[in-house]
Amino acid sequence: DQQVKQNSPSLSVQEGRISILNCDYTNSMFDYFLWYKKYPAEGPTFLISISSIKDKNEDGRFTVFLNKSAKHLSLHIVPSQPGDSAVYFCAASASGTYKYIFGTGTRLKVLA
Amino acid sequence: DTAVSQTPKYLVTQMGNDKSIKCEQNLGHDTMYWYKQDSKKFLKIMFSYNNKELIINETVPNRFSPKSPDKAHLNLHINSLELGDSAVYFCASGLPPDTGELFFGEGSRLTVL
Repeated sequence: DQQVKQNSPSLSVQEGRISILNCDYTNSMFDYFLWYKKYPAEGPTFLISISSIKDKNEDGRFTVFLNKSAKHLSLHIVPSQPGDSAVYFCAASASGTYKYIFGTGTRLKVLA
Repeated sequence: DTAVSQTPKYLVTQMGNDKSIKCEQNLGHDTMYWYKQDSKKFLKIMFSYNNKELIINETVPNRFSPKSPDKAHLNLHINSLELGDSAVYFCASGLPPDTGELFFGEGSRLTVL
């Protein structure tokens, strides 16, 4: 039972354009969400997070949007750069727990 | 100075053998994790320790035994290795549930022949 899903396994975007990565979740107890970036042969690195009390969080070129009613979050990268090419994972957690559930990942390719 | 370090990075072994992967973090975190990334690239939580105490055990076969000698270390011992154990194993640490993110090691790729 996959509680966190990323339905697009891959995405290609032109350099300078916007990349939008999507994530859906099923567990209504989740109230903290994170995005990680992963390069080959490296561990995932934290990118940005959002608490369920917000619907948007921005950090430089990265913005995460949360739609609680739809149980959906998205990561916007603008402008996209070739160095952004990586696998992106979303993750979710519920308050008071120590468990972080990861999605299946989306491979982003930014074309120069 | 690596925050979360795992050894070895690569491990190739025969079915039936026993092997260990070690993890150390120098971030002062209370909580450490083992995640498994299988051939389908899913990142699945296996275990978590908080201050040396096991707090999460995700129905992992009992051939897998985590050990936390202190809160900076979490090792993973695997007995009687099977082909399906081939995966990349990631160690992570963090300060949940109060502050969010986990910091991951570089991963240990285990290949069982």
